[in-house]
Amino acid sequence: DVKVTQSSRYLVKRTGEKVFLECVQDMDHENMFWYRQDPGLGLRLIYFSYDVKMKEKGDIPEGYSVSREKKERFSLILESASTNQTSMYLCASSSSEPGQGAPNEKLFFGSGTQLSVL
Amino acid sequence: QKEVEQDPGPLSVPEGAIVSLNCTYSNSAFQYFMWYRQYSRKGPELLMYTYSSGNKEDGRFTAQVDKSSKYISLFIRDSQPSDSATYLCAMEDFGNEKLTFGTGTRLTIIP
Repeated sequence: DVKVTQSSRYLVKRTGEKVFLECVQDMDHENMFWYRQDPGLGLRLIYFSYDVKMKEKGDIPEGYSVSREKKERFSLILESASTNQTSMYLCASSSSEPGQGAPNEKLFFGSGTQLSVL
Repeated sequence: QKEVEQDPGPLSVPEGAIVSLNCTYSNSAFQYFMWYRQYSRKGPELLMYTYSSGNKEDGRFTAQVDKSSKYISLFIRDSQPSDSATYLCAMEDFGNEKLTFGTGTRLTIIP
């Protein structure tokens, strides 16, 4: 089974703090994604990566950055946390192997990190 | 107007009933359609995946796509309490390689 592990289940931070959210997958997937999930807004894509050291902006990248130094690990960084970044953050991965569909299809999600910024 | 509209519910039905969950969309470029199931305090998991119009069946689940009406459905037969979850539709514009999610419908199956 694919396992996507997010380092923290719950996190409470103060406004202005630098926040690191870590995600590790164990299936050698090429593609990794960061989403945030908010009531009434659904899942929105923040950043994604199709390869090591590669990153692409999603729909809502402002206030976030990412790092992918190793294939299995994708980190989301909030440089200066703000209250409007309080949300559920979900990491996902997918394969680019032939027959597995396009990179955005068949995502495997972690259990999420509920971040509260006070 | 959102690209994908999904009734948030909540929807409560008795065990054994047939459940119908729906999404409408406005982007005619969407070609791939997915349903994800999300249990409380968990991440979404892929349930069904279909391409273009038609039906796809997997056990008690049937996914239906009507591209002419820009409408997709997920039917659950013989619903079980373990089906209680939030169901998210998702669609992909293959040219953009980007998924657009619905907001999710929260479903409760009452024993």
